[in-house]
Amino acid sequence: RKEVEQDPGPFNVPEGATVAFNCTYSNSASQSFFWYRQDCRKEPKLLMSVYSSGNEDGRFTAQLNRASQYISLLIRDSKLSDSATYLCVVKDQGGKLIFGQGTELSVKP
Amino acid sequence: DGGITQSPKYLFRKEGQNVTLSCEQNLNHDAMYWYRQDPGQGLRLIYYSQIVNDFQKGDIAEGYSVSREKKESFPLTVTSAQKNPTAFYLCASSRSTGAPYEQYFGPGTRLTVT
Repeated sequence: RKEVEQDPGPFNVPEGATVAFNCTYSNSASQSFFWYRQDCRKEPKLLMSVYSSGNEDGRFTAQLNRASQYISLLIRDSKLSDSATYLCVVKDQGGKLIFGQGTELSVKP
Repeated sequence: DGGITQSPKYLFRKEGQNVTLSCEQNLNHDAMYWYRQDPGQGLRLIYYSQIVNDFQKGDIAEGYSVSREKKESFPLTVTSAQKNPTAFYLCASSRSTGAPYEQYFGPGTRLTVT
């Protein structure tokens, strides 16, 4: 079993749609959780940290369920510019980041 | 501007040659990291360093070497012992390795070995 698993997609959605990405992690002692965004042939960039109580940043909402070892990212009112690969990232108790393989999103006009 | 720089952006080498990738940061971060990314895969950790003159192996350190003589710099050498060196190499830094500090990435170096 992979340490961090994501649905690889691709997710093809029309502009304005709501899309949700899911991620599961295997290490219950994981400390911190993040969503990164990676554009084609570019470096990953931090989208948002994920807090236990859930958090929102504009059109983006992240949720964490420690009991189920599950993280989600919800994007509302999708824009063309949201097209990218979204990486679920978990930091373990040793401080090491574990990356999922990414979920590709394509937003169409 | 504060950030992480990597050079060169593209690098081509012949098999059997060692090659060194540069990574510099002016964020005053203590921790620095090297990852490789292969098509359709997540990032895999090669080496990381928490302080100057100290570094630890990551998950795929074989065939690579690093140094950390200055806080700002963490060069990676891909040696001829690395079986499949062609990949996208990403350098990152963070305030420390502890939670909840996120990592910031440089623009990456695409290495092609033929």
